[in-house]
Amino acid sequence: QVQLVESGGGVVQPGRSLRLSCAASGFTFSRFAMHWVRQAPGKGLEWVAVIAYDGSNKYYADSVKGRFTISRDNSKSTLYLQMNSLRAEDMAVYYCARGGEMATLGGDMDVWGHGTTVTVSS
Amino acid sequence: SYVLTQPPSMSVAPGKTARITCGGNNIGSKSVHWYQQKPGQAPVLVIYYDTDRPSGIPERFSGSNSGNTATLTISRVEAGDEADYYCQVWDNSSGHQVFGGGTKLTVL
Repeated sequence: QVQLVESGGGVVQPGRSLRLSCAASGFTFSRFAMHWVRQAPGKGLEWVAVIAYDGSNKYYADSVKGRFTISRDNSKSTLYLQMNSLRAEDMAVYYCARGGEMATLGGDMDVWGHGTTVTVSS
Repeated sequence: SYVLTQPPSMSVAPGKTARITCGGNNIGSKSVHWYQQKPGQAPVLVIYYDTDRPSGIPERFSGSNSGNTATLTISRVEAGDEADYYCQVWDNSSGHQVFGGGTKLTVL
């Protein structure tokens, strides 16, 4: 079945780095844009970043631009989020989500992972 | 940046109709998508491209979009519909997905 499984979350000190992964299965990963979306405790959904199906285009929320990097390895059907210079306000559950097919960057996000929790604390 | 505005909360009795609004400047010119999120769970897409329902989503869920307001309508509300609901659009000018603040639906 179509599935996304995130990993890599944990407890990290402010200013340190963490890399999240999202393993896809049950669909042709290389045909879809992929997103990261986060949710701080008790708050709403916040979009973080998107990467095109072939990695050619990437966009970031202003809150993470310059600190986070989204990437993908289509040969491994895996999405990544490299998070540097982490701040307290980055603490959240991070979800990966499937976006549009081929050239469509936007649109709906129809498949979501269960999320991985990032805690930023000294 | 583009802003989507939702009422923070609303309540409805079982069997009645819930209408959750999502306001945005000329939102009728954009495609709106809606997600349901229950406590401790990942979001689930319930309406895409304004009016379409993914397979497995009951017909009780419907959407509309015109002018400055998009609406998610849940007919014959059930206790299991109690959740947070988020609207979302793609802002082409910035290359960003944009979420509304979410509406907590309580079934009385």
